[in-house]
Amino acid sequence: QKEVEQDPGPLSVPEGAIVSLNCTYSNSAFQYFMWYRQYSRKGPELLMYTYSSGNKEDGRFTAQVDKSSKYISLFIRDSQPSDSATYLCAMSGYSSASKIIFGSGTRLSIRP
Amino acid sequence: DVKVTQSSRYLVKRTGEKVFLECVQDMDHENMFWYRQDPGLGLRLIYFSYDVKMKEKGDIPEGYSVSREKKERFSLILESASTNQTSMYLCASSLTGGGVQGETQYFGPGTRLLVL
Repeated sequence: QKEVEQDPGPLSVPEGAIVSLNCTYSNSAFQYFMWYRQYSRKGPELLMYTYSSGNKEDGRFTAQVDKSSKYISLFIRDSQPSDSATYLCAMSGYSSASKIIFGSGTRLSIRP
Repeated sequence: DVKVTQSSRYLVKRTGEKVFLECVQDMDHENMFWYRQDPGLGLRLIYFSYDVKMKEKGDIPEGYSVSREKKERFSLILESASTNQTSMYLCASSLTGGGVQGETQYFGPGTRLLVL
């Protein structure tokens, strides 16, 4: 079983829809949770970052962490064609030896 | 703005060739990383480095080596390229030394390598 599971999609939704992207994980030591966005033929870039459980909002994006269920989500409100990309969840533990573990990514397409 | 550059966007090599992938970052970051990205497998860590001349194995180091002679430059070497090393290779860097927990990693644009 992979440490981090992410539905690869592809996910296609109309412009303006609310998008929900999710990851599950198995390692209870994970404390830092990140979402990276990767446009076609580009490297990933950090979109949002949360520590431990709870919600974090940044404009149209909301990151949610439920450590009791080992489940994280990224919500995109009022989705735009420019949101079309692959979204990768990532997480790491607290110790200095922790590496970042990435999900395999969900490809998202927003139809105009 | 942090900038991470990689020497080539696309490379085609033959089986058995020695391949060098170069990565340079311009923000004085301590940590540098090499990943490969394959469909369905996500990003897998090959090697990373906390400091000049230091290196640590990641999850899939077999068939690869690295070199970090200067702080800003981290090279990935495929000693004898094989077809199963056909992949997208991504370099990343992050600011502080001594640990990788939760630190933002800044990625280069990637090198798509095809080994024939």
